[in-house]
Amino acid sequence: KNQVEQSPQSLIILEGKNCTLQCNYTVSPFSNLRWYKQDTGRGPVSLTIMTFSENTKSNGRYTATLDADTKQSSLHITASQLSDSASYICVVLHMDSNYQLIWGAGTKLIIKP
Amino acid sequence: GAGVSQTPSNKVTEKGKYVELRCDPISGHTALYWYRQSLGQGPEFLIYFQGTGAADDSGLPNDRFFAVRPEGSVSTLKIQRTERGDSAVYLCASSLPERGEETQYFGPGTRLLVL
Repeated sequence: KNQVEQSPQSLIILEGKNCTLQCNYTVSPFSNLRWYKQDTGRGPVSLTIMTFSENTKSNGRYTATLDADTKQSSLHITASQLSDSASYICVVLHMDSNYQLIWGAGTKLIIKP
Repeated sequence: GAGVSQTPSNKVTEKGKYVELRCDPISGHTALYWYRQSLGQGPEFLIYFQGTGAADDSGLPNDRFFAVRPEGSVSTLKIQRTERGDSAVYLCASSLPERGEETQYFGPGTRLLVL
């Protein structure tokens, strides 16, 4: 079954600290993996998109890694800011379709001052 | 506007009523998607339009749900005989598909509450 699982379910850290969010997937065949940031009450916003041949991709203080062999991805946030408080969702695109996205449940991140 | 817009932002209705949710995609985007998101969950795919046609409606939960995009731009999601279980945030996204690097741009969603 094609699934995307994220951990932890929620995370609280102090402003300025770093954190890493995990994503494991069983989607096959796999096309690409995306990380979205979703603020409370808003639609998701794309942070990164990685194909199976890419190991790492950065977007400002966000760095995503991908290990296609172990089917694992991580999102590392550096020097967290209060505005980073949001849900971070890992999404995998199933290769059999150019629109069938398999969504994780997300990690809820809270940054405390 | 520059982004995807959805109206209304909030909708409260009674069980059994009919509702329509509207999505205005980014101008020029040919692909449009509807998702449903329950609290604490990732979005659940409902339907995908490429132009005016529904390329995939396999995510619609039952025949009470229907969506149209008659001119290939604005889309309306229609729910008949609403049930309490339909309460969720309904998200719309649009994109201009390019092989391998498709980014979907999401609207703010319509929060539907069925009493």
